[in-house]
Amino acid sequence: QSALTQPPSASGSPGRSVTISCTGTSSDVGGSDYVSWYQQHPGKAPKVIIYEVSKRPSGVPDRFSGSKSGNTASLTVSGLQAEDEADYYCNSYGGNNNWVFGGGTKLTVL
Amino acid sequence: QVQLVESGGNVVQPGRSLRLSCAASGFTFRNYGMHWVRQAPGKGLEWVAVIWSDGINKFYTDSVKGRFTMSRDNSKNTLSLQMDSLRVEDTAVYYCVKEKGPYTAFDIWGQGTMVTVSS
Repeated sequence: QSALTQPPSASGSPGRSVTISCTGTSSDVGGSDYVSWYQQHPGKAPKVIIYEVSKRPSGVPDRFSGSKSGNTASLTVSGLQAEDEADYYCNSYGGNNNWVFGGGTKLTVL
Repeated sequence: QVQLVESGGNVVQPGRSLRLSCAASGFTFRNYGMHWVRQAPGKGLEWVAVIWSDGINKFYTDSVKGRFTMSRDNSKNTLSLQMDSLRVEDTAVYYCVKEKGPYTAFDIWGQGTMVTVSS
C-alpha cells in the first residue's frame, strides 16, 4: 500500500493558523474513520494529537483540530506557538489489518 | 505510569538475525493490540506489524513478510520482534507501540531502539 501524500513542509507565523493535508485513496483515508495525526520533535518518539479523524486525546491543546473530506484529511494548528515546530505525520487504517503513514510534514514557526 | 521500553537494537550484518523486545507497564497489556513502527534515519514513519491482544492474529507489511515474526507473552507483559534475513533497508529506529483501541490510533510509544544493518 502506498504512503499517504503530505506536503514536505509548511510554515506560519506565531499566532496564525496552518493546515496540513494528507491525501490517500478510497481504500484508506476516504474509507476509514481511523485517521490519526502524530507530532514528532527531533530525537523524540511520536505523540498522537488527533485520532478518529477529529478527536483530541486528553492533554492535547484545542489549537489542534482534524477533519476529513473525501480522500483528504487535514490537520489545522491554530494560534501557532514556537513549540509547535515539529514533524507531523498522518496515518490511516487501510483495511485488512494494514496501516499506512504519510511521508511527514516539517512545520516551521517563522 | 504507562510505559513501553524497547531493547535489543544493535549493528548486524546483512542476512543475519536480531530479536527486539518491549516491556510494557502501567496498563492491562493483555487487553490491547500492539504494533511495531519503524523510522529509517532521516525518513518518515513506517508501520511494520501488529499482533492482536490474543497473540494469535499477526499481520505484517509486505516488505517484512516471511522474515519478521512478532510475538507476545501476556503473562510477562512483553512483546518481541524476531527479525531474520535482515537487509540494509531494515536499518531504522524500531518503536514498540500500543494501540488505543482496535484500528484506532497509536497512543503510547516506546523510546525506540536502533537497528543498523551493515556489512
